[in-house]
Amino acid sequence: GNSVTQMEGPVTLSEEAFLTINCTYTATGYPSLFWYVQYPGEGLQLLLKATKADDKGSNKGFEATYRKETTSFHLEKGSVQVSDSAVYFCALGGTSYGKLTFGQGTILTVHP
Amino acid sequence: EAQVTQNPRYLITVTGKKLTVTCSQNMNHEYMSWYRQDPGLGLRQIYYSMNVEVTDKGDVPEGYKVSRKEKRNFPLILESPSPNQTSLYFCASSPGTSGRARQETQYFGPGTRLLVL
Repeated sequence: GNSVTQMEGPVTLSEEAFLTINCTYTATGYPSLFWYVQYPGEGLQLLLKATKADDKGSNKGFEATYRKETTSFHLEKGSVQVSDSAVYFCALGGTSYGKLTFGQGTILTVHP
Repeated sequence: EAQVTQNPRYLITVTGKKLTVTCSQNMNHEYMSWYRQDPGLGLRQIYYSMNVEVTDKGDVPEGYKVSRKEKRNFPLILESPSPNQTSLYFCASSPGTSGRARQETQYFGPGTRLLVL
């Protein structure tokens, strides 16, 4: 079956540091890949997505590229801010009825 | 404002006392789903619905029921809650466009934190 593996957290960074959160997946067919973000006390919201190989999703300074050859969708940001502190989920959309398969989530804390 | 709402946001109950968590969306979405979030496990799908009167099991359906009598509402029912159902629950919806479901963004409610004693 489909599965998503994220790097172990939590991740703690200083403001303006470079961020990478690794995500790899196992899937059959041609899945779409997503990063969702959960701010404290809130529900999940879409951060970015890519629907086919070599697509790059980007939003709010975050980027991720769909790499079919390495089955990866790593999240990056060049300069994090305190307001980026949240839980980040990598997810895979691989079935016709739109089910999302999630990774375990990575807690990011950014200090001033 | 386009949104998914859930009620209640917080609930403490005792083993065996039936409860319902409501979910409503105002975006005319076809597809709705329930997930539970547990530490270290991410989110796991409980049940989903592709349209009115069409529901099916997700990955962890045991102990839960759902119904979809109206397009906008998708309540989650725990007939006899047990402590292992203590969790954070999210309802989600997406347009459900035929042939594009795997690409669609899902919109999540704010979550319901349930404690079963």
